[in-house]
Amino acid sequence: KAGVTQTPRYLIKTRGQQVTLSCSPISGHRSVSWYQQTPGQGLQFLFEYFSETQRNKGNFPGRFSGRQFSNSRSEMNVSTLELGDSALYLCASSQGDPLSYNEQFFGPGTRLTVL
Amino acid sequence: DAKTTQPPSMDCAEGRAANLPCNHSTISGNEYVYWYRQIHSQGPQYIIHGLKNNETNEMASLIITEDRKSSTLILPHATLRDTAVYYCIVRVETAGNKLTFGGGTRVLVKP
Repeated sequence: KAGVTQTPRYLIKTRGQQVTLSCSPISGHRSVSWYQQTPGQGLQFLFEYFSETQRNKGNFPGRFSGRQFSNSRSEMNVSTLELGDSALYLCASSQGDPLSYNEQFFGPGTRLTVL
Repeated sequence: DAKTTQPPSMDCAEGRAANLPCNHSTISGNEYVYWYRQIHSQGPQYIIHGLKNNETNEMASLIITEDRKSSTLILPHATLRDTAVYYCIVRVETAGNKLTFGGGTRVLVKP
């Protein structure tokens, strides 16, 4: 099976712009989660989608949003970019059974740099 | 989710066992202990998880104390490819797929 893929792998934007990142989960996986990783804050949970519905949300401002499509692919959007949004954005997919833990498989991430 | 405490770093000799401790003194009865690792420039990778019994898989062993307030991840024969940041996470099994990562332990395997 192909792993989790994220596009683009690298991105450079300027302050005030917006950005959309894409994640394709492993085939058959219905849950997609997003994380932000920075040197200062470490790995932080952004949100989780399951069957096109947001199931869980981290403590991030409303500038961070996401969605999931019927084929389980997911996108996250960051509007009005700030310098502090520079980070590695990781996507993870799992089968998504809500009644038990599902091993999460992480993608390689998208490295976003905001200038 | 219960908070975990891990040493920030540790070294290990190649071929020897690496024992990674984790304290989770406020763990609740229905919370599991999970271990993930992140090799440089890659996404985190699941290693193992357990509730109260010791667990073993092809990657590692997980030893949980009887009072469940601490645990140890054991890499039986560390290789250079095991150099990574190891995260101990405590959470309930039915909390969706949210993982709360702490600082982790940076493990350096030396030849």
